[in-house]
Amino acid sequence: DAGITQSPRHKVTETGTPVTLRCHQTENHRYMYWYRQDPGHGLRLIHYSYGVKDTDKGEVSDGYSVSRSKTEDFLLTLESATSSQTSVYFCAMGTRNRGRTGELFFGEGSRLTVL
Amino acid sequence: KNEVEQSPQNLTAQEGEFITINCSYSVGISALHWLQQHPGGGIVSLFMLSSGKKKHGRLIATINIQEKHSSLHITASHPRDSAVYICAVVYGGSQGNLIFGKGTKLSVKP
Repeated sequence: DAGITQSPRHKVTETGTPVTLRCHQTENHRYMYWYRQDPGHGLRLIHYSYGVKDTDKGEVSDGYSVSRSKTEDFLLTLESATSSQTSVYFCAMGTRNRGRTGELFFGEGSRLTVL
Repeated sequence: KNEVEQSPQNLTAQEGEFITINCSYSVGISALHWLQQHPGGGIVSLFMLSSGKKKHGRLIATINIQEKHSSLHITASHPRDSAVYICAVVYGGSQGNLIFGKGTKLSVKP
């Protein structure tokens, strides 16, 4: 029951090329997130969105941009990929219940290798 | 600085054993998540809790807000429980403010 999907799931690219990762949800959730996961680190927030066209930076936002032109899609763009951006990227969506934080649902992850 | 600390980092158990994974945090929080990640797989939310205890099948999660500590227990462990278990805290009331632990890698041997 994939209410949230990511594409592509795997990508190999060269340094300096632009890359866009797509996150698509079918649950109409307002909150969406992009994280990266690297060995020795917990998941780290890149950017998040709290509504259409409403986004904010996370802990490791340098070198990344995002866009959310409609509720269901949250795009992560690397304008000029670098080897330090080799990582596994996870998209997530979150719920709120009476203004309080609710559950989190994660996509399957996108493994990006920058050569 | 590590605002969310998990222990142990690695844990090997025999099938059937009772398992405890701990999470300590240093910030004031509004909620805490326990997540499960199987090798090469995605991440699944197990629990979200802000007080007390929650139980789902063989999994039990507890939290002590005053002591800034949470535990995840697995009763009658099974090899299919082998995964990385991740603790994440929500602070500041905003869902953008999540801090993740580095995870505990659990291996359950048959």
